Amino acid sequence: EAGVAQSPRYKIIEKRQSVAFWCNPISGHATLYWYQQILGQGPKLLIQFQNNGVVDDSQLPKDRFSAERLKGVDSTLKIQPAKLEDSAVYLCASSLDTGAMVAGGQSTDTQYFGPGTRLTVL
Amino acid sequence: GENVEQHPSTLSVQEGDSAVIKCTYSDSASNYFPWYKQELGKRPQLIIDIRSNVGEKKDQRIAVTLNKTAKHFSLHITETQPEDSAVYFCAAGFANAGGTSYGKLTFGQGTILTVHP
Repeated sequence: EAGVAQSPRYKIIEKRQSVAFWCNPISGHATLYWYQQILGQGPKLLIQFQNNGVVDDSQLPKDRFSAERLKGVDSTLKIQPAKLEDSAVYLCASSLDTGAMVAGGQSTDTQYFGPGTRLTVL
Repeated sequence: GENVEQHPSTLSVQEGDSAVIKCTYSDSASNYFPWYKQELGKRPQLIIDIRSNVGEKKDQRIAVTLNKTAKHFSLHITETQPEDSAVYFCAAGFANAGGTSYGKLTFGQGTILTVHP
């Protein structure tokens, strides 16, 4: 099956500029996540969508970050205005999330990650 | 909220040796513990996961153990190979097999594993 798609793969901007990232999850996956991964750290959840509704955005800096998932499929994450500390890889992940087990014993909760967008803020 | 601590931060072994990475979590409600492998410049990929209703799970050279009482879980890699070199992340979250899964994962800081030929 096709994996999670993200674009762009790389982005360099000046501080105070705006930037947007796009994510296309695996077909049929109900849940979509945006993570921020700063160099040398584990991914940190920014926002979680279940279909087109927000489940958790407690760690999203809402004064500058926004995200939407119109029609419950693709999603965009925006930063406006960007700061130096926003330099990171932004990972999108999706999961099927029906609560059932699938063949092979793997849960539908398994999160599959996209390749990420590496953002550099100068 | 959940807090996950992972140790060691770096681990260097000789090919054929075993490697063990340990994680602790703080939220007793967490019941789902996946491990991800991330090669340089690539996406994290799930290698194994465990739920709180089992204490151990194996998949070929990889095993994960879980101690719910102590709130810690470990990844064991046997007969390590150079291609096992990567960053490994543990995570903890809540997954509800019977209904809506909240799915939120909290990740550890990562362990850089280097396997020397």
